Amino acid sequence: DAGVIQSPRHEVTEMGQEVTLRCKPISGHDYLFWYRQTMMRGLELLIYFNNNVPIDDSGMPEDRFSAKMPNASFSTLKIQPSEPRDSAVYFCASSSSWEKETQYFGPGTRLLVL
Amino acid sequence: QKEVEQNSGPLSVPEGAIASLNCTYSDRVSQSFFWYRQYSGKSPELIMSIYSNGDKEDGRFTAQLNKASQYVSLLIRDSQPSDSATYLCAVKASSGSARQLTFGSGTQLTVLP
Repeated sequence: DAGVIQSPRHEVTEMGQEVTLRCKPISGHDYLFWYRQTMMRGLELLIYFNNNVPIDDSGMPEDRFSAKMPNASFSTLKIQPSEPRDSAVYFCASSSSWEKETQYFGPGTRLLVL
Repeated sequence: QKEVEQNSGPLSVPEGAIASLNCTYSDRVSQSFFWYRQYSGKSPELIMSIYSNGDKEDGRFTAQLNKASQYVSLLIRDSQPSDSATYLCAVKASSGSARQLTFGSGTQLTVLP
């Protein structure tokens, strides 16, 4: 079975550029989560969706960040414009209503903003 | 005060010993607790979940929960070098159907051969 798929796995960009991270959740999962992990702040929840609808985006750091889930099999996290402090590993995770709260994480996208 | 606190370590134990990892949380009405393992450069992987007071055992792993003390721990028996990783404690928010987890900063464990 395919797990959570994220792309790209690595991204290096320059300050001010737009960055788009992509996620495909596990088929049949109805919850999707975006996390950011840094040494200083650990693993932080940015936003999560249920049935493609954003439920809680209180973790999104500022207006430069946006996330969409146009269908059950695809989500994007966009940063525009990017800044060096956005450098982190961004994880996508998914879970299902019937598998009590277990979240399955994707491999992550390592973002470096120069 | 952080919502979920863990000793960052590093914690070193010899192979075959018991490793004890601890976590405290601030939300008194939290109901669901999880331990994730994260190898360096990899994504977190769920290894244990616990919902009620007491102990829950799964192979070499035992999770312990004490809601009165707002404390959850993970014991790893017969520690192996392959257990060397960062262990993240996670707590589910208490409100209704909310699904978000709050993670601690993690404890780095090294098992010495």
